[in-house]
Amino acid sequence: AQTVTQSQPEMSVQEAETVTLSCTYDTSENNYYLFWYKQPPSRQMILVIRQEAYKQQNATENRFSVNFQKAAKSFSLKISDSQLGDTAMYFCAFMKHEYSGAGSYQLTFGKGTKLSVIP
Amino acid sequence: GAGVSQTPSNKVTEKGKYVELRCDPISGHTALYWYRQSLGQGPEFLIYFQGTGAADDSGLPNDRFFAVRPEGSVSTLKIQRTERGDSAVYLCASRGPNTGELFFGEGSRLTVL
Repeated sequence: AQTVTQSQPEMSVQEAETVTLSCTYDTSENNYYLFWYKQPPSRQMILVIRQEAYKQQNATENRFSVNFQKAAKSFSLKISDSQLGDTAMYFCAFMKHEYSGAGSYQLTFGKGTKLSVIP
Repeated sequence: GAGVSQTPSNKVTEKGKYVELRCDPISGHTALYWYRQSLGQGPEFLIYFQGTGAADDSGLPNDRFFAVRPEGSVSTLKIQRTERGDSAVYLCASRGPNTGELFFGEGSRLTVL
C-alpha cells in the first residue's frame, strides 16, 4: 500500500512571492505518477501538475514546478509569483503505473496543505 | 457534458435515512470513481467502475454503502441507514481510456444530523 504525507497543514505567502509545499510518499513500486491537485472552495479537484517517476526532469507548468527526488521519495511543489487565486487546499497524490492499461489508476491522496495568499 | 456533474450539491438528512448521490461523468469516459473526503482530510477511494461493472470496491467502508452504474455512464452512490460519521463530501471522477488523468466533479456534501 502507498502512503502520502503532507507535513504542512497550513501555509501563507505574500502575493508575488514564492512558496514551496512539501510532500513525501512511501511505496514499493518503481513506476508511478505523482500529482498536485488544487481544491478551491468550490470543492472541485483541479490538476495542477503531474510527474512520471521514470522521468528525471522535473515537471513545470507556467508558475508551478516540482522538485522530484525519487530516492528520497519527496515531491515538493513550488509556486512562483503567487496570486490571490492560488489560495486553496493543495493535495499531493500518488498513482501506481498500470502496465496492462486495464488497471484502476486509483489515486492515493495526502491530507492537504491550506495555502493562503496574502495581498 | 463538458465536465463531471454531481447532484445534489448539498444534502442534509437525519440519522437512519437513505440517501442517493448521483454522478454524471464526462461523455465517453468509461472509468468512474467515487471518493469520500471527510473534514480536514484528503479524498479516500471508495469504488471504481470500468463500464457497468464495479472493478474495485475495496474502499467501501461497510455494507451500508453501495454504488451502481447500470448503463455505463451515470452512477449512483447509495447509503442506507445513514450515520453521523457518514457526513463528508463525496467526490466523483471520471477518466478517459488509456489515460491516467482523473477529472473531478464539485462533489456532494452530505450532512447527517
